[in-house]
This record gives sequence, structure tokens and C-alpha cells, in this order.
Amino acid sequence: GAGVSQSPRYKVTKRGQDVALRCDPISGHVSLYWYRQALGQGPEFLTYFNYEAQQDKSGLPNDRFSAERPEGSISTLTIQRTEQRDSAMYRCASSSGTGSSYNEQFFGPGTRLTVL
Amino acid sequence: GENVEQHPSTLSVQEGDSAVIKCTYSDSASNYFPWYKQELGKGPQLIIDIRSNVGEKKDQRIAVTLNKTAKHFSLHITETQPEDSAVYFCAASLPLYNQGGKLIFGQGTELSVKP
Repeated sequence: GAGVSQSPRYKVTKRGQDVALRCDPISGHVSLYWYRQALGQGPEFLTYFNYEAQQDKSGLPNDRFSAERPEGSISTLTIQRTEQRDSAMYRCASSSGTGSSYNEQFFGPGTRLTVL
Repeated sequence: GENVEQHPSTLSVQEGDSAVIKCTYSDSASNYFPWYKQELGKGPQLIIDIRSNVGEKKDQRIAVTLNKTAKHFSLHITETQPEDSAVYFCAASLPLYNQGGKLIFGQGTELSVKP
């Protein structure tokens, strides 16, 4: 079956522009996570959804970052007024999120964001 | 909050040798410890995980051990092959009902297997 997909795979934008990154989780997965991965580092948590509800946004760096998952499936991470320091790989992961206190997460290929 | 430390940052072995990567975590409430393999240009791929009620788990050439008392866990790869070359990440997670099961990752280990 299809895994987690993300689009676009690469995004180059100029400083000050807004960008929207899309994540399509594994079909039926209840939970969806956004992470940011700097070069040579492990992914860092940004935010998490359970169905359409944003349960935790403690990892979002500032109020220029927002995310939504209006129908409990596809999610969009939006960065307003981008800055060069926002350049990174943005990764999405999903998990079934039910029936267990454990949490196998499956990652998408990521969106490489470059802010010029 | 949870903190995960991973060592070594780079590891080079000869084909056929074993490789061991070690991680420590800080929050004793963490109950799930996955390992991911990340190849160049790809997303992290879950290769094995261990839960806090288990001390060891094995899947063919890879195994993971967990010491809850010492709060450390390790990945063991035996009979390494060139295709094992990649960056490996460990992670720790609190239960789903506690902070939603977000993963806290280590810094990664770049494994190189020389033919």
C-alpha cells in the first residue's frame, strides 16, 4: 500500500514569502506528526494531530508556523514570512494511533525547503 | 523533557563484522524505543523497535537491547553488508496518552560498511 507522501519534494522561495507544505498520511492513520530535520541531525518534533485536532504544537518555533488537518487526513504546514533560518527538511509521519500505548511512526520522504 | 544521546556519531566497519550503536535516554516514563535507518535522499525507515516491557528483540541480523534501570538501549547489526551503510537514528517516546507519543531522536550514527 501507499506510504506517507509529501509535496512538494523541493521548495525554493525568497525570504518573506509564505509557503505551504502538504502531507498525505497512510490511509486510515489517525495520528499525524510534523518534524523538522537539519542537516546532520535527527528530526525534531514540531506538532501533532489526532484526527483533525491539533493536540500538541509545542515544537513550533514561533507564530509564523502553523498547521492544520481539517478533515483528519491531509495536513498542511504553513510558514509565513519565511526567513533563511527556516531552511531545512520538513518531514511528516503518521501512525495508526489506536489500540495501543505504543506509537509506530512511518515517515514520508520530506520536503526540502530552501529560503534565499 | 526527554533527552536522547546517541554514540558514536560515525562508525566504520569491515563487511562481515558487527556494529553496535548505543543510546541513552533521560525520562524513565519513556516506553517505546524505535530505530530508524535513513539512506541518502530518503526518509527515515523504521527497522526495529522495542517496548519497555521487553529486554531484547531480534529480527534476522539486527537486534535491540534495552536496560531500563540504566536507561540505555542499543542496536546490534551482525554480519554487516555494504547495503547496511546509512545513518541510523534511535528515538524514545512517552506513551500515547502522555504527550501524544512524539519521538525524541538521537543525533544519528553514520555507519559505513567497507567491502
